[in-house]
Amino acid sequence: GAVVSQHPSRVICKSGTSVKIECRSLDFQATTMFWYRQFPKQSLMLMATSNEGSKATYEQGVEKDKFLINHASLTLSTLTVTSAHPEDSSFYICSAREVLYQPQHFGDGTRLSIL
Amino acid sequence: DAKTTQPPSMDCAEGRAANLPCNHSTISGNEYVYWYRQIHSQGPQYIIHGLKNNETNEMASLIITEDRKSSTLILPHATLRDTAVYYCIFPNFGNEKLTFGTGTRLTIIP
Repeated sequence: GAVVSQHPSRVICKSGTSVKIECRSLDFQATTMFWYRQFPKQSLMLMATSNEGSKATYEQGVEKDKFLINHASLTLSTLTVTSAHPEDSSFYICSAREVLYQPQHFGDGTRLSIL
Repeated sequence: DAKTTQPPSMDCAEGRAANLPCNHSTISGNEYVYWYRQIHSQGPQYIIHGLKNNETNEMASLIITEDRKSSTLILPHATLRDTAVYYCIFPNFGNEKLTFGTGTRLTIIP
């Protein structure tokens, strides 16, 4: 149980393109989803927290207008990287949690490469 | 900043028990300790969590000291597929956000 699916697994696109990443909880309803970013040889950094039906809460230093998060249902959250540039190239990972104090379950990540 | 301290790396022979320590001296009484691992180029995988009592599941055992300031994750019979970075985390109480430190890079040696 507790499977989180993330799609696509890899994206390569040109600078200025907007990229959408989907995160789905397959066998549970996720009241909260989280988005992380991981640069090479570094640890995961939390970007934002989203609760179903409300606006995402962004961590300090993360631009909300650049990283658009939508959590429209209890099983789906999307992250859109708008007008992506090479410095946005990273490994983006989502996680989902059913209720507070339960473990977060992670997707397999999306490797984004901006040329 | 991560609130836990873990050794940066450890080796363990295949088939032996891997014991991964973690110090979390600032943990409060109602905060759980979670363990995750990340195999290269994949998302983190939940392993186990606990509050006060020792816990065991199909993947591992978690031993928490009585004062709750440290814990040890035990993989009873390590395999090559257990090679990963292991993270010990206690989330902020009330919002449960995870702050990942640098973890312990565990290498299982054939």
